[in-house]
Amino acid sequence: AQSVTQLGSHVSVSEGALVLLRCNYSSSVPPYLFWYVQYPNQGLQLLLKYTSAATLVKGINGFEAEFKKSETSFHLTKPSAHMSDAAEYFCAVTEGGSEKLVFGKGTKLTVNP
Amino acid sequence: DTAVSQTPKYLVTQMGNDKSIKCEQNLGHDTMYWYKQDSKKFLKIMFSYNNKELIINETVPNRFSPKSPDKAHLNLHINSLELGDSAVYFCASSQSGSEQFFGPGTRLTVL
Repeated sequence: AQSVTQLGSHVSVSEGALVLLRCNYSSSVPPYLFWYVQYPNQGLQLLLKYTSAATLVKGINGFEAEFKKSETSFHLTKPSAHMSDAAEYFCAVTEGGSEKLVFGKGTKLTVNP
Repeated sequence: DTAVSQTPKYLVTQMGNDKSIKCEQNLGHDTMYWYKQDSKKFLKIMFSYNNKELIINETVPNRFSPKSPDKAHLNLHINSLELGDSAVYFCASSQSGSEQFFGPGTRLTVL
């Protein structure tokens, strides 16, 4: 069965600094991978997805993620953090496009002025 | 236009009561889902319907019963509410295997 591990439940960065949120997955078949963002008291919004095409995926709001099969990782990055990036970020996996989406436990990003 | 909508947004009720949460999507998707997010923000799938047919039924107490009257609607009925049912419930929809779009959530508080 697939699973997702997000290293670091809390990440704090300064405005303008690099954002790096870590995600490792476990899957017995080629995975589809997703990053979602949840702002306070809101639903989840898709940032980006990997579905076996290009390994470097660009998403909304300047975020991108790289699929590394050898490391079973799908880390999320943004070159320069903005105050509006403060939110909870979730990595998720499905197996080969199945409907069952399995989430990591989330990483809360704080951006300091 | 709201893509995935849920009602109500907040629901406060007493233990033992029965309540329903409604979900509607206007994206034309064929698959809908219910997720539970606990107090630690952990998200777990509960149910999934494809074209009104139940395709995912995780280990959920049978007090929870989803109902899909048509492809655009998926409601969640909960019987005999317990304290541990307090959570945020999210509805989502997708078009077979593509990314899921989430509703704004329903915060259920059981007193």
